[in-house]
Amino acid sequence: QTVVTQEPSLSVSPGGTVTLTCGLTSGSVSSSYWPSWYQQTPGQAPRKIMYNTNRLSSGVPDRFSGSILGNKAALTITGAQADDESDYHCLLYMSGGLWVFGGGTKLTVL
Amino acid sequence: QLHLQESGPGLVQPSETLSLTCSVSGGSINTNNYYWGFVRQPPGKGLEYIGCVYFSGTTYYNPSLKTRVTISVDTSKNQFSLRLTSVTATDTAVYYCMRSEGYYSYDMDVWGKGTTVTVAS
Repeated sequence: QTVVTQEPSLSVSPGGTVTLTCGLTSGSVSSSYWPSWYQQTPGQAPRKIMYNTNRLSSGVPDRFSGSILGNKAALTITGAQADDESDYHCLLYMSGGLWVFGGGTKLTVL
Repeated sequence: QLHLQESGPGLVQPSETLSLTCSVSGGSINTNNYYWGFVRQPPGKGLEYIGCVYFSGTTYYNPSLKTRVTISVDTSKNQFSLRLTSVTATDTAVYYCMRSEGYYSYDMDVWGKGTTVTVAS
């Protein structure tokens, strides 16, 4: 069974840069998995912030960027702000109507 | 603007069937390239894809839940529904309905607010 991996937790200083990654226990993530990223604050539904690897959703600040780094999808926040403190979930499309989420990364800004 | 709203019981008895409906407003469920589905999140845990349905009735399910899940669509009411049988405490979660794009971006672009379902006697 394919498992999508994410760092359980990360921290970043205000104004700093942090990269969250999304990998596979078996194989490499590429754009053909259509990686997308979701931001979620407590008690709220997830909100799509990145899709097609590096396409920024409407209204999302451009301090967020997406890429493929090595064998993983990546979400980078450059110039982190306090309201970036959230849970971030990556999602991969496996084909045949099957999507798989990573376990999520809890990002702390301090 | 497209809006999704979940509805259904907040408490389900163990071994019974969980049933939720998602009502779609601000747009039609009869839209090419979009799938309508459910995602759940147990307390303190990550998101889990349950499955989705196309307006034609074609369904796709997470293999780990496939034997217990049915998702159906009612285009006349602009709604789709989830049935999860033989529930246990591990099915306690916030259940979200969502729209997933299945041609250009394969992402989940619209979400309901979520509804909490507790499995307990």
